[in-house]
Parts: sequence; structure tokens; C-alpha cells
Amino acid sequence: GENVEQHPSTLSVQEGDSAVIKCTYSDSASNYFPWYKQELGKGPQLIIDIRSNVGEKKDQRIAVTLNKTAKHFSLHITETQPEDSAVYFCAASIAWNTGNQFYFGTGTSLTVIP
Amino acid sequence: NAGVTQTPKFQVLKTGQSMTLQCAQDMNHEYMSWYRQDPGMGLRLIHYSVGAGITDQGEVPNGYNVSRSTTEDFPLRLLSAAPSQTSVYFCASSYRDSSDTQYFGPGTRLTVL
Repeated sequence: GENVEQHPSTLSVQEGDSAVIKCTYSDSASNYFPWYKQELGKGPQLIIDIRSNVGEKKDQRIAVTLNKTAKHFSLHITETQPEDSAVYFCAASIAWNTGNQFYFGTGTSLTVIP
Repeated sequence: NAGVTQTPKFQVLKTGQSMTLQCAQDMNHEYMSWYRQDPGMGLRLIHYSVGAGITDQGEVPNGYNVSRSTTEDFPLRLLSAAPSQTSVYFCASSYRDSSDTQYFGPGTRLTVL
């Protein structure tokens, strides 16, 4: 099955700086790559996603890049704010006709220091 | 819309007891799934369903059963709880399949003594 690796496991940045979280995947059949933010005591919430036919996507301070050849994708948060502090998960979804499953990375705990 | 709801929020079981974790969604989503979340291991898929009457195993299905008799509900059953099943359980749903946005419930924290 798919194997998703996520780095780093913890990340501390000063408010206003940028944060970058990287993930790699193993199965070339994966075609959908969402990123989730999980706050303490809550379920994960989608913040941005990208599909395999797109190389980059941006939504205000958040961007995601995808390199299909190298099988890696990254989350970029610019101008970080204290409310960005949370655990972030990447995921890869196997195409619906070959498995229909999500595989998650192990998470990155981001702390934004005021 | 209430979105994805889960009950109970917390549960303590003794080894060997059985219980059902409830999950419901009111968004008319076809795809529903159950995950467990353990420290340092992210979320791992237990079982999923692509529609009423259809279920399949995920990455870690052993010790768990599911059924999908309606579009709205997707209960997860532990037939004989074990300490290794101590975890936080999340239910999620999406419109059609795994390539659609998933919406997660608030989770159930289960402790097996």
C-alpha cells in the first residue's frame, strides 16, 4: 500500500516567519493530496488540497506544491500567526478505482511564537 | 447541517467488553470512513464504505466490524475490546470517494483497561 512520510515532526517559528512542511509518498497511483489542520481536542479540518494534474495551489497565506516525478508535496504557510499553531497532517489518496483509501502522514506540530 | 457527529465523546471499557461507536452525517455523502489516531502514528484507516450496503477494510481492520445499512450512519463495533484499541477514533465522510474533501467528526476517546 501507500506510504506517506512527513517532516519535520515538530516545528517552531517566530510570528511573521514562514513555515514549510514536507511529505513524500510512494505509490504513483495517488492522485489527491490534502492537508489538514488539527487543533487540540478536535477533528482534522481540511485547509488546502491539490490534485495530481496541478503543480501548485495557493489560498491567501497557504500554498501547496506537488512534484509528481519526485513524489513529494509541501505545505507553505507565510506570515505565520499564533492561531496557526496546531498539528498539520498531509495525506495521499489512492485513485478511486484502485483502492479508494486515504493514507496520512504522522503529523507536524507547529508552534508560532508571538 | 450538523455535519459529522460522533457519540460518545469519551468511553472507558474493560478488556473483553463490547461497544459500538456511532457516526452519522447529514450531508448525503456516499463515502464514510473510520480512523484511529495514536501518538506519533497519524491517522490510520480502519474501515470505509462507498455507499449503503458496501464496506471494505482499511489499513488496520482487525478487531473492528462495520456495517452501512443507511447512507447517514456508519457504526464501528468493537466485539471484544483490548488495551491495544485504546485510541482516539474519528469518523469522516466525503461526497463520493477518497478524492473528495473529507469532513471529520469531533472524535471519540476510548480507553480500554
